[in-house]
Amino acid sequence: AQKITQTQPGMFVQEKEAVTLDCTYDTSDPSYGLFWYKQPSSGEMIFLIYQGSYDQQNATEGRYSLNFQKARKSANLVISASQLGDSAMYFCAMSRYNQGGKLIFGQGTELSVKP
Amino acid sequence: DSGVTQTPKHLITATGQRVTLRCSPRSGDLSVYWYQQSLDQGLQFLIQYYNGEERAKGNILERFSAQQFPDLHSELNLSSLELGDSALYFCASSVHLRRGGRETQYFGPGTRLLVL
Repeated sequence: AQKITQTQPGMFVQEKEAVTLDCTYDTSDPSYGLFWYKQPSSGEMIFLIYQGSYDQQNATEGRYSLNFQKARKSANLVISASQLGDSAMYFCAMSRYNQGGKLIFGQGTELSVKP
Repeated sequence: DSGVTQTPKHLITATGQRVTLRCSPRSGDLSVYWYQQSLDQGLQFLIQYYNGEERAKGNILERFSAQQFPDLHSELNLSSLELGDSALYFCASSVHLRRGGRETQYFGPGTRLLVL
């Protein structure tokens, strides 16, 4: 069965510093996608970044990058130059291409950015 | 703004009642997904529809049902409500490209349900 593990329930980072949020996954399917979503205190889920299992390069979207280590089954999110507005819950999720795209989520990491 | 709309934003009801949550996907998106977020269970997939047909089912209770209409909007019906059904219910949509394609799901703002 597929599973997503986020081992950091909460993290603190100083404004303008970089931070890495950990995510490991478990699947025997060779075709899958990995996603990160941000959930601010207002509750909405905001898509940040995507990595496909066959992508050779790590995904990047502005200040977000995904450190994809396929052999280790990890997909860590790196946020560079943290801003106060980055304070939120962050969820790692996985979909298997042959299962219609439903997402399996990790438990989330709460990030707090200190001024 | 993701382009996915959900109504109502908040819903307060009593045990035993029935409610309907509504979702309109992004323009052009054929696939709609429903998720439930609760403190004890986290974010869980409930059900997926593609172009009017049910495609996948997750941890959806028998008291819950959903459908997708010809105009692609979707409704999630929750009946015989219990206290434990209190949660944030999300709808998400995606284009649903051919198998193997990227399938980013864009989420609506959610409906916060409180069962008293």
